Amino acid sequence: AQRVTQPEKLLSVFKGAPVELKCNYSYSGSPELFWYVQYSRQRLQLLLRHISRESIKGFTADLNKGETSFHLKKPFAQEEDSAMYYCALRDSSYKLIFGSGTRLLVRP
Amino acid sequence: DVKVTQSSRYLVKRTGEKVFLECVQDMDHENMFWYRQDPGLGLRLIYFSYDVKMKEKGDIPEGYSVSREKKERFSLILESASTNQTSMYLCASSQPSNYEQYFGPGTRLTVT
Repeated sequence: AQRVTQPEKLLSVFKGAPVELKCNYSYSGSPELFWYVQYSRQRLQLLLRHISRESIKGFTADLNKGETSFHLKKPFAQEEDSAMYYCALRDSSYKLIFGSGTRLLVRP
Repeated sequence: DVKVTQSSRYLVKRTGEKVFLECVQDMDHENMFWYRQDPGLGLRLIYFSYDVKMKEKGDIPEGYSVSREKKERFSLILESASTNQTSMYLCASSQPSNYEQYFGPGTRLTVT
C-alpha cells in the first residue's frame, strides 16, 4: 500500500540548531516526493520536490530509496521556519498522498 | 499570480443540514481536489476531478459528493452534515502534467 509516514507530530528546536523532519514512504514504483509547508494563517504551499534537488529557504531533502526516506533538513533553524510541514508522495496518476504532518517550532 | 479561492473561511452548520463548499480557480487547471485536514491525520483526499463533469472518489468519500459543471469551479456537498464532519476543508488545483498543487485558504466547518 502507498503510504507516507511522518513519525513526529511536533519538533521543537532552538534558533540556530539543526533541523531534520523525518519522512518515510511506502511505494512500489518509482516515487516522486515533495515537501509542503503551511505557515501560520497562510495557505499550504509547495516547499520543494526531490527531482529538482534544490535548496529552498535553506532546506534540502534527499531521496534515499534504500531506506525509503525523504527527510527534510536545515543546518541552522530560524524562527520564521516555524510551521506545519507535510511530506507527500505522488502516485502514478496526479494524486498526492500526504503524511500526517510535523509541526516545527523554533524557539528564540 | 495563481489563485484558488473558497467561498467561506468559517462556516457553522447544524446536524442534518445540507452544506455546500465552493472552490474556484483562475488558472485554467484541469485537475481539482477536495481534502480535509485534521490534526494528527494530515490531509486526506475526499474527491477529485480531472475534467468538467468528471469525478473520482478519494480515500474518504463517504458522506460527501461533488459537482464540477464548469472547469473553474469544484463544489463539495455534504448531503446531511454530521458532527464528525467538523474539520478544515482544503481545495486544490493542478495541471495534469504539473506536480504542484495550488491550495485555497481553507474553510473551517463546524457542525453542531
